[in-house]
Amino acid sequence: QQQVKQSPQSLIVQKGGISIINCAYENTAFDYFPWYQQFPGKGPALLIAIRPDVSEKKEGRFTISFNKSAKQFSLHIMDSQPGDSATYFCAPPGGGTSYGKLTFGQGTILTVHP
Amino acid sequence: NAGVTQTPKFRILKIGQSMTLQCTQDMNHNYMYWYRQDPGMGLKLIYYSVGAGITDKGEVPNGYNVSRSTTEDFPLRLELAAPSQTSVYFCASRYTGVGTEAFFGQGTRLTVV
Repeated sequence: QQQVKQSPQSLIVQKGGISIINCAYENTAFDYFPWYQQFPGKGPALLIAIRPDVSEKKEGRFTISFNKSAKQFSLHIMDSQPGDSATYFCAPPGGGTSYGKLTFGQGTILTVHP
Repeated sequence: NAGVTQTPKFRILKIGQSMTLQCTQDMNHNYMYWYRQDPGMGLKLIYYSVGAGITDKGEVPNGYNVSRSTTEDFPLRLELAAPSQTSVYFCASRYTGVGTEAFFGQGTRLTVV
């Protein structure tokens, strides 16, 4: 069963716009919430991550916001650029009895038009 | 610093053939993973390992086998290849515990004809 649900599946944004991708989870044992970025032909790489003791983390144009009560965390990309066009995955590592497991959300394909 | 190394990068197999995808990491990570990614789709976990001698099934283990005799290596074995196994395979590793980043190899593009 899916441990996380990402939305939307695809997103088209104009250059300079804001991209927002959401990840809903069910496992309350998760305590690390990362977003990975994948370019075509490459493996995913960590973009930004947050721990549940903070509600927001910003790194440059990328921000994670975390809502513990809603069991959701989001990635915001400000001033989106064509170079941000990639697939984005949320992948909180398994907690509780699945401590080593690492499953990925379905992915969101972001296209930023110039 | 090599990180996670996968071999081969490309391979064409005939139906019914077998092969082993190799994965090695030099970061002393205990956790290792195998994923497959079909075109335009997400990453599906095949098998994972939390240490030498310990492996467990992921979401799509059928048709695959793994072993973990050392910390560094985590080979993935395909027995009796089928067209449904045509995919890109990624190996990944990370440190023990929560809050650790996963590092990925460059992937192996496998075609079964």
